Amino acid sequence: KAGVTQTPRYLIKTRGQQVTLSCSPISGHRSVSWYQQTPGQGLQFLFEYFSETQRNKGNFPGRFSGRQFSNSRSEMNVSTLELGDSALYLCASSDTTSTDTQYFGPGTRLTVL
Amino acid sequence: AQSVSQHNHHVILSEAASLELGCNYSYGGTVNLFWYVQYPGQHLQLLLKYFSGDPLVKGIKGFEAEFIKSKFSFNLRKPSVQWSDTAEYFCAVRSSGGSYIPTFGRGTSLIVHP
Repeated sequence: KAGVTQTPRYLIKTRGQQVTLSCSPISGHRSVSWYQQTPGQGLQFLFEYFSETQRNKGNFPGRFSGRQFSNSRSEMNVSTLELGDSALYLCASSDTTSTDTQYFGPGTRLTVL
Repeated sequence: AQSVSQHNHHVILSEAASLELGCNYSYGGTVNLFWYVQYPGQHLQLLLKYFSGDPLVKGIKGFEAEFIKSKFSFNLRKPSVQWSDTAEYFCAVRSSGGSYIPTFGRGTSLIVHP
């Protein structure tokens, strides 16, 4: 099976702009989670989508939002970008059975200038 | 709320040295435990996981971890490291009966000198 894919891999934006990141999960996986990874904070959970519904949410401001489509592909949107949003954004998919694990994509490196 | 603590932020070893990376978690219930590895320029990969059963878990590339419930620990070990083990290692925990979302530690950067 193909792994989790994320596009784009690199992105440069300026403060105040908005950005949309995309994630395609492993075929058959219905859960998609998003994480923000920074050197200072490590891996922080943003939100999880399952069957087009947000099932879990981390402690991030409302500028961070997401959605999931019927084919399980997910997008994450960040509005009114701030310098502190510069990070590696990781997407992970899982099958959500009781013993499943998450499989991570390569990430999108977002730089906010 | 659960939390994960990785005591060693940076570890530098020579090839063939033994490795042990510490991981402690705080959570009162039953947990699932994971170690992930992120090689330079690559994505996060699962190294090993513990769900139940034998507390000594073997993973890929010769890594193993031992779950000690009384100590809330899940330390990662490898008897003899190689230069190719240079990477960032993350411990993660999640409650087995609740959210599927794991909480990650801050990571340990391992550098192995040839």
